[in-house]
Amino acid sequence: DAEITQSPRHKITETGRQVTLACHQTWNHNNMFWYRQDLGHGLRLIHYSYGVQDTNKGEVSDGYSVSRSNTEDLPLTLESAASSQTSVYFCASSEPGWTSTDTQYFGPGTRLTVL
Amino acid sequence: QKEVEQDPGPLSVPEGAIVSLNCTYSNSAFQYFMWYRQYSRKGPELLMYTYSSGNKEDGRFTAQVDKSSKYISLFIRDSQPSDSATYLCAMSADGDNYGQNFVFGPGTRLSVLP
Repeated sequence: DAEITQSPRHKITETGRQVTLACHQTWNHNNMFWYRQDLGHGLRLIHYSYGVQDTNKGEVSDGYSVSRSNTEDLPLTLESAASSQTSVYFCASSEPGWTSTDTQYFGPGTRLTVL
Repeated sequence: QKEVEQDPGPLSVPEGAIVSLNCTYSNSAFQYFMWYRQYSRKGPELLMYTYSSGNKEDGRFTAQVDKSSKYISLFIRDSQPSDSATYLCAMSADGDNYGQNFVFGPGTRLSVLP
């Protein structure tokens, strides 16, 4: 079965370190997204990609970067981790089309703590 | 004022009760309305989506949109302990179905007690 996976599931790091969170999907979807989820804020979009070599900034992109070298993967990099980036991070993928039930499929999340 | 407001709960109900979950929003351009269910330590999963105003039913779940009041609801009939989760509403403006402009509510935590 197709799926979307994230690794690691839990990560503790120190302020100033570079951290990369992995996202891998086997749906063969062109669209991929990274969100962060914080209490009281809901899901907020960090970056998204419509296909290989395409990346775009979302609502809360400062301090984060992504790259898309193939269809399956969209790694999220925190260039210099800050305590404000302590959060749960979700990757999602989708194909466009409101005529079907295909919408965003979310991964299981990565819980990141920055000390 | 946040673009999408949702009572965070927690909301506790007995098994078999009818549950009403609600979101209000401020952007009149929103046309697509979605409800996601998120179990503890899992990613959200789409429950239902509706376009514009009206009702949509799927089994025990009914989604209702009132664009004139900028208010959407999700009703759960005959609630079960397995319905215990956080429910997120999400919205998008017409013509944008790629997900980059989804606006999510903060979620309502529901507990259905056996």
